[in-house]
Amino acid sequence: QQPVQSPQAVILREGEDAVINCSSSKALYSVHWYRQKHGEAPVFLMILLKGGEQKGHEKISASFNEKKQQSSLYLTASQLSYSGTYFCGTETPGAGGTSYGKLTFGQGTILTVHP
Amino acid sequence: NAGVTQTPKFRILKIGQSMTLQCAQDMNHNYMYWYRQDPGMGLKLIYYSVGAGITDKGEVPNGYNVSRSTTEDFPLRLELAAPSQTSVYFCASSPTLWEQYFGPGTRLTVT
Repeated sequence: QQPVQSPQAVILREGEDAVINCSSSKALYSVHWYRQKHGEAPVFLMILLKGGEQKGHEKISASFNEKKQQSSLYLTASQLSYSGTYFCGTETPGAGGTSYGKLTFGQGTILTVHP
Repeated sequence: NAGVTQTPKFRILKIGQSMTLQCAQDMNHNYMYWYRQDPGMGLKLIYYSVGAGITDKGEVPNGYNVSRSTTEDFPLRLELAAPSQTSVYFCASSPTLWEQYFGPGTRLTVT
């Protein structure tokens, strides 16, 4: 079952902040965030693992609530280049912890930043 | 490095035809993935591979087959194309199971 993202769309002016949420009904091993611009391939933003480890771009921050199986992506001081569709991808635990990057993606959140 | 490359960029198939979507990476990544993305939707995993000779099904494998004879190449085979397979297909690779690097995609239309 795919994770649920909210909101479905966000419109901002440059400099404003936004939060995108991702919620799963399954226990998670990791949460991944990607941004996709129209007509392009998704680009990796961040990964958050069960246990607190995370890796991602310096200007992007996110959180992972393991008890609630929820993750949030925080976009601060937005720039025009932040526009695009943001996807969370969730990974459930496999036999050895990871399930080899088998991600289930949400439906996406469309972010539009205006000057 | 060219990264992840996919060919062709566009293809129109007639119902019942077959084709192979090519994917190659020059980063020596062990992990590779095939996704499809329908208009306005998220990505769905078709197949994945953890190394040469090892592949496994993802969420939506029906109607597709893969092989991984080398680390670099991970072709996706469509047999007996159906209109439901009209989609954009992305191949991705990963060095560590953390970040995935996506190719530019193949836009396939089945009519």
